[in-house]
Amino acid sequence: GQQVMQIPQYQHVQEGEDFTTYCNSSTTLSNIQWYKQRPGGHPVFLIQLVKSGEVKKQKRLTFQFGEAKKNSSLHITATQTTDVGTYFCAGSSNDYKLSFGAGTTVTVRA
Amino acid sequence: EAGVTQFPSHSVIEKGQTVTLRCDPISGHDNLYWYRRVMGKEIKFLLHFVKESKQDESGMPNNRFLAERTGGTYSTLKVQPAELEDSGVYFCASSRGWGGSSIQYFGAGTRLSVL
Repeated sequence: GQQVMQIPQYQHVQEGEDFTTYCNSSTTLSNIQWYKQRPGGHPVFLIQLVKSGEVKKQKRLTFQFGEAKKNSSLHITATQTTDVGTYFCAGSSNDYKLSFGAGTTVTVRA
Repeated sequence: EAGVTQFPSHSVIEKGQTVTLRCDPISGHDNLYWYRRVMGKEIKFLLHFVKESKQDESGMPNNRFLAERTGGTYSTLKVQPAELEDSGVYFCASSRGWGGSSIQYFGAGTRLSVL
């Protein structure tokens, strides 16, 4: 079945620095979604990418969908303490199922 | 608009006992999903309802798990009898449409601890 791998599992970042989390699928995806879960919270939808090579930005967050639609990345610039949490990618192929990655847990040191 | 609500937020039970989790989806959302996250691992799909019908329950671990969605409104997930490996956070999500492009809205989850 479809598998989504996400790296790194943990990311400890100095406040103000940039970092990237990567997502790779074993199969071609029709779309990929990104979610953020704050500590003690629940996954909250951030964005969806559908087109090959698509890039979307949300303030300091840049999301990219690979040309082959098998990988995606989330890049955060100038990390802030509000960025703390676990970021999940979730991919879907031709059905409704979302396959989630294991998440990247981000901690920030001031 | 109220979000997806789940009850209880936390449940601690002993091995062999029964626990029932409840999920109230966003009003008007025909699609309801159950997921589970075991500590540090990915969020795993359990099953999907379209209204009151089970569209896909391929992710259900075994026959100790029973999900229902009476009348196509709220859903329950019963674990009977609970085992240690059932511990984790159970999330419910709902969406208006279905298909991989539908945005799913998650509840706060139920943290289940089986001792």
